Amino acid sequence: GAVVSQHPSWVICKSGTSVKIECRSLDFQATTMFWYRQFPKQSLMLMATSNEGSKATYEQGVEKDKFLINHASLTLSTLTVTSAHPEDSSFYICSGELAGTDTQYFGPGTRLTVL
Amino acid sequence: GQQVMQIPQYQHVQEGEDFTTYCNSSTTLSNIQWYKQRPGGHPVFLIQLVKSGEVKKQKRLTFQFGEAKKNSSLHITATQTTDVGTYFCAGKAVTGGGNKLTFGTGTQLKVEL
Repeated sequence: GAVVSQHPSWVICKSGTSVKIECRSLDFQATTMFWYRQFPKQSLMLMATSNEGSKATYEQGVEKDKFLINHASLTLSTLTVTSAHPEDSSFYICSGELAGTDTQYFGPGTRLTVL
Repeated sequence: GQQVMQIPQYQHVQEGEDFTTYCNSSTTLSNIQWYKQRPGGHPVFLIQLVKSGEVKKQKRLTFQFGEAKKNSSLHITATQTTDVGTYFCAGKAVTGGGNKLTFGTGTQLKVEL
């Protein structure tokens, strides 16, 4: 149980374009989902906390107008990287929090490469 | 803000040797969680510790939560090649952090035959 999927698993795009990443909890409802970014050989850095039906809470230094988050249902959150630039190339990972457990279950990640 | 450091950053061991990674938080934690990330993969939840001084075991893995709830350790007995990966601790602050996890810097384990 507690499976999270992400789509796409990898994407290559041109600079200036927008990319949408979907995060789905497949067998549980996630009132809270989290979006992380991980650069090579580094730890996971929290970008934002997404609560179903409300605006996301962004971490300091993360531009909310560049990284648009929508959490329209209890099983789906999306992250849109707008006007992507090469420095946005990274591994983006989402997680869903299993209600009442404090445990986060991670998706397989999306590797974004911006040319 | 809250910082969570892990040492060592890297560890190479021979198969069969033991391995330990240490996790230290700048703030008191309500709980500590451990994750394993294989090369090219995503973090996989291993365990959660909640109580001060708690010790939990999973086969060859032993997890400890410090008395002050600011540090933790993961010990692997008789490592195997399947243990290769990066081990992250992650903690929730008692105050000020909401429900977010702060991940440690990670310890990358390599096991050689």
